[in-house]
Amino acid sequence: DIQVTQSPSSLSASVGDRVTITCRASQGISNSLAWYQQKPGRAPKLLLYAASILETGVPPRFTGSESGTLYTLTISSLQPEDSATYYCQLYYILPLFGQGTKLEIK
Amino acid sequence: QVQLVESGGGVVQPGRSLRLSCAASGFAFSSYVMHWVRQAPGKGLEWVAVTSYDEANKYYADSVKGRFTISRDNSMNTLFLQMDSLRAEDTAMYYCAKPYNYGSYYFDSWGQGTLVTVSS
Repeated sequence: DIQVTQSPSSLSASVGDRVTITCRASQGISNSLAWYQQKPGRAPKLLLYAASILETGVPPRFTGSESGTLYTLTISSLQPEDSATYYCQLYYILPLFGQGTKLEIK
Repeated sequence: QVQLVESGGGVVQPGRSLRLSCAASGFAFSSYVMHWVRQAPGKGLEWVAVTSYDEANKYYADSVKGRFTISRDNSMNTLFLQMDSLRAEDTAMYYCAKPYNYGSYYFDSWGQGTLVTVSS
């Protein structure tokens, strides 16, 4: 079975900072990875899919990249509204979510 | 615009059953695979089940296999999740989720969720 490890589990950063969140798959997944943002009491929101394609309406400060089995979500200049929990999701076979990263704005 | 509205959640005793519904509108429901995803209180997201557009193919998470059944009524644009032999660990917010395109396994639209609490 494919496994995914998302890190860190939480982080705190300041407005304007560059932030990275990673997901490592236990095997190759051919860029079959999406990123979501979830705010408290709300359903998740799709940010990127196919590792690096930005969903319509998502600010370009969100970018995704891939290096082998390591996938990275980067927020280039953190904004107050980016405070949320972020999840990666593999979809190479059946959907599999990462453990989540809670991002706090200092 | 796409709308997904879940219903049917509530408090249920362990071992009992519950049936969730998801009313869909704003897209060609009968052409899409559809999914259920859940989230235990304070925890992460867990995919639960998927059905093909015609119910010919259904897949389940190991944690619910043999206890939950996904189904749909395309004439009513409605997705269902029959949950039997419920356990405390099934307590969660249950979301129906629309895939980005007809057969994809990532999600561009979610409902607001319906809360299931399994407790004696």
